Amino acid sequence: DGGITQSPKYLFRKEGQNVTLSCEQNLNHDAMYWYRQDPGQGLRLIYYSQIVNDFQKGDIAEGYSVSREKKESFPLTVTSAQKNPTAFYLCASSNGRGREAFFGQGTRLTVV
Amino acid sequence: KNEVEQSPQNLTAQEGEFITINCSYSVGISALHWLQQHPGGGIVSLFMLSSGKKKHGRLIATINIQEKHSSLHITASHPRDSAVYICAVSGDQGAQKLVFGQGTRLTINP
Repeated sequence: DGGITQSPKYLFRKEGQNVTLSCEQNLNHDAMYWYRQDPGQGLRLIYYSQIVNDFQKGDIAEGYSVSREKKESFPLTVTSAQKNPTAFYLCASSNGRGREAFFGQGTRLTVV
Repeated sequence: KNEVEQSPQNLTAQEGEFITINCSYSVGISALHWLQQHPGGGIVSLFMLSSGKKKHGRLIATINIQEKHSSLHITASHPRDSAVYICAVSGDQGAQKLVFGQGTRLTINP
């Protein structure tokens, strides 16, 4: 079945360490997105990519980095520069403007 | 003011009640999405609409483009409908980026 896979579901990280969240899709979608969700807030866009080898910053890109070397994969690295990294991270994909978006199951990152 | 506003933020109802969740937006859109998020966190897309009305089982979504308003209705609500319902819009300019409302936490008591 087609879909988006995020891993891991739960992740613990020591302060000062970088960590990479995985997002893979087999929907053949061109566009992929990373969102962050904090309690009581709507999802906010971190980075997005509309095509392989190209990506743009979203509204809260500071402290994060991404790559898009393959159409299927859009990993997100949470760097030590991110001041408040504990959050729920969601990956999504779609096939263009006005098309349905598909979401992964999310990764809950906790910095200890 | 947020570009997408949902109301109410929290809603508790008894099993069987008719539920309405509202969404207003202030930007031009190419589509509006209704999403469901269960306690585990994963999000499921319920509807995507750009005009009129869509129905899936006990769920109905409507949109009024002129008034920039959408509603999600649940008929004969059930405890398994308890979840956070999120409205999101994709803009009509540039990249397909979703702007999300804050969500409505729905609790249906048996």
